[in-house]
Amino acid sequence: AQTVTQSQPEMSVQEAETVTLSCTYDTSENNYYLFWYKQPPSRQMILVIRQEAYKQQNATENRFSVNFQKAAKSFSLKISDSQLGDTAMYFCAFMRTQGGSEKLVFGKGTKLTVNP
Amino acid sequence: NAGVMQNPRHLVRRRGQEARLRCSPMKGHSHVYWYRQLPEEGLKFMVYLQKENIIDESGMPKERFSAEFPKEGPSILRIQQVVRGDSAAYFCASSPNPAGGGDTQYFGPGTRLTVL
Repeated sequence: AQTVTQSQPEMSVQEAETVTLSCTYDTSENNYYLFWYKQPPSRQMILVIRQEAYKQQNATENRFSVNFQKAAKSFSLKISDSQLGDTAMYFCAFMRTQGGSEKLVFGKGTKLTVNP
Repeated sequence: NAGVMQNPRHLVRRRGQEARLRCSPMKGHSHVYWYRQLPEEGLKFMVYLQKENIIDESGMPKERFSAEFPKEGPSILRIQQVVRGDSAAYFCASSPNPAGGGDTQYFGPGTRLTVL
């Protein structure tokens, strides 16, 4: 079974600085997808970024980028120029693409606080 | 384009009562997923449905829980004879047409169930 590990329960960063959230996963699959979701205090789950495992190029979305290391099964999220609105829980998630079910497997999350 | 709708947002039930949670997917989406989030935890997959079909219910408790996605109307997650351990946030997500494509799942705001 696939597992997702986020080893940092909590992190903090100063506004305008850069922070990296770590995520590792375990799978025997070769093709899969990885996601980062953000859950602010409103508890709405918001997609931050998506990565296809077959693509070597790291995904980027404005201030958010990932460092995807397939051999190491690592998928870290970098947030540049942190803003107060980035304060949230961040969940890393894995999706397999075989077997007819595309369920997401989530890590336990990292609570990020951006300080003014 | 309205997002995924869930209602009610908050639901309070006494032990032994039934809870019904509703989810309307995004327009054009025919695939629905239900996840449960316990306090201080990540989301855990429960069930994946297409119209009139359950595709994967591997995360559903064997008793008291059921889900449906009829041809017309919202998807329903039903919990019979609720117990205190059912207290959690229940999230619904939808995607257009996974078919092995790793489509992004878009989440609703969740229903917070409290069992007294």
